[in-house]
Amino acid sequence: LAKTTQPISMDSYEGQEVNITCSHNNIATNDYITWYQQFPSQGPRFIIQGYKTKVTNEVASLFIPADRKSSTLSLPRVSLSDTAVYYCLVGDARVRGSGYSTLTFGKGTMLLVSP
Amino acid sequence: NAGVTQTPKFRVLKTGQSMTLLCAQDMNHEYMYWYRQDPGMGLRLIHYSVGEGTTAKGEVPDGYNVSRLKKQNFLLGLESAAPSQTSVYFCASSYDRERGYSNQPQHFGDGTRLSIL
Repeated sequence: LAKTTQPISMDSYEGQEVNITCSHNNIATNDYITWYQQFPSQGPRFIIQGYKTKVTNEVASLFIPADRKSSTLSLPRVSLSDTAVYYCLVGDARVRGSGYSTLTFGKGTMLLVSP
Repeated sequence: NAGVTQTPKFRVLKTGQSMTLLCAQDMNHEYMYWYRQDPGMGLRLIHYSVGEGTTAKGEVPDGYNVSRLKKQNFLLGLESAAPSQTSVYFCASSYDRERGYSNQPQHFGDGTRLSIL
């Protein structure tokens, strides 16, 4: 399983763009990159997923360079409600002939947005 | 569509007592998971299931048992609770077969807060 490294914490202000980078040097060919968001007293919530290049949805963008050894979650114009822990996961969570590969949640990045 | 529902939301046990945590999903998902989350740590996988009637061990399975008798339900059991099992437990599910062979994200419940004295 590919190991991920992301900053323990980040600080930002309302209205700013926040970029959280995740390193995954030993990512495998079939691995996807998935980001989750977790608020206190809630379960993680899926934000975005990608395999290569750029993916954008209504919440965030995910930038993946050609070598796929890192990825960057971009949150445009954050608000106070974006204060949460963000997890980067790398893996191929599908049942295949070789079995099922589970994903690993690290400690995540605690993002604190201030007024 | 309730998603993933966990019961109970809170529970206090004495050491040595047993209990079962229930997870129910209404999304027709094939896979289900149980995690625990301790302060300052990420989620750690306890057990998981890739289909009705099947279960497998995750990262921290000791002291827990699971059962998946029905596709929509995944039960986590503590036979003899220990203080080290004080934690927040999260259930998740994923993979709607009708969406095809794809890397589908997990959907989480809001957790069960378990304290063992």
